[in-house]
Amino acid sequence: EAEVAQSPRYKITEKSQAVAFWCDPISGHATLYWYRQILGQGPELLVQFQDESVVDDSQLPKDRFSAERLKGVDSTLKIQPAELGDSAMYLCASSLIVQPSTDTQYFGPGTRLTVL
Amino acid sequence: QKEVEQNSGPLSVPEGAIASLNCTYSDRGSQSFFWYRQYSGKSPELIMFIYSNGDKEDGRFTAQLNKASQYVSLLIRDSQPSDSATYLCAVNNSSSNTGKLIFGQGTTLQVKP
Repeated sequence: EAEVAQSPRYKITEKSQAVAFWCDPISGHATLYWYRQILGQGPELLVQFQDESVVDDSQLPKDRFSAERLKGVDSTLKIQPAELGDSAMYLCASSLIVQPSTDTQYFGPGTRLTVL
Repeated sequence: QKEVEQNSGPLSVPEGAIASLNCTYSDRGSQSFFWYRQYSGKSPELIMFIYSNGDKEDGRFTAQLNKASQYVSLLIRDSQPSDSATYLCAVNNSSSNTGKLIFGQGTTLQVKP
C-alpha cells in the first residue's frame, strides 16, 4: 500500500539552529500539506501545495519557516532559527484532489522535533 | 468559539461496550467530515469520512452526521483495548475551496479490559 514518507523521524536541536524536514507524498498525489501538532492539540495546517505552487501559507511563520516543492513531488520544510516553542510533531499529508470539498488526506509518520 | 470542538476526555468504556465520540463545528458550508485515529506518538490514521446527513457504517465504526445541528459523531461498537487512542475530528474549510481541513483537539478513548 502506498504511503507518505517522511524523514527524519526524530530530530533534537538547540535553539537558534537550522532544521529541515523532508516529505515524499503518495505517488500521483498533487496536493501536499505540512502540519504542526503540539502535544494535546489537533494538527494545524502550516502550508499547502498544489503541485509546485503554494495555495495556503496563511499560518506559516514566514520569518523563520520556509517550504518548497520545487518539482511538484517531494517537499522540504525548514526552520531557521529554531525556537523552544517549535518543539512539536511535524506531519506531512497528501491527497489526490479530485474535488477539494471531498478530498481525503493521508498522513506520513511525522517528525518529532525537540528544541533544547 | 473554536471552529471544531471535541471533548478532550478521557472517555473510559469497558471492553465490549459502545464508545460514542462527539464533534461540533462552526462552518455551516462544510461538506466533508473525517475521523482520524491517533495512537500515542504516532501520526493520524484515517478511519472514516462522511459527506451526507445520516449514518455511515464500516465494520465496528459508524459515523453520524447532522448538518442542521452542525454535529458529527463516531460510534465504536464492541470496543477493544486496541481502540484506545485519540480520535480526531476534521472538517473541510468551505471558504478556502482548497481541501483545507480544520481539526479538533481530539478525544482520548480508554477501553478497559
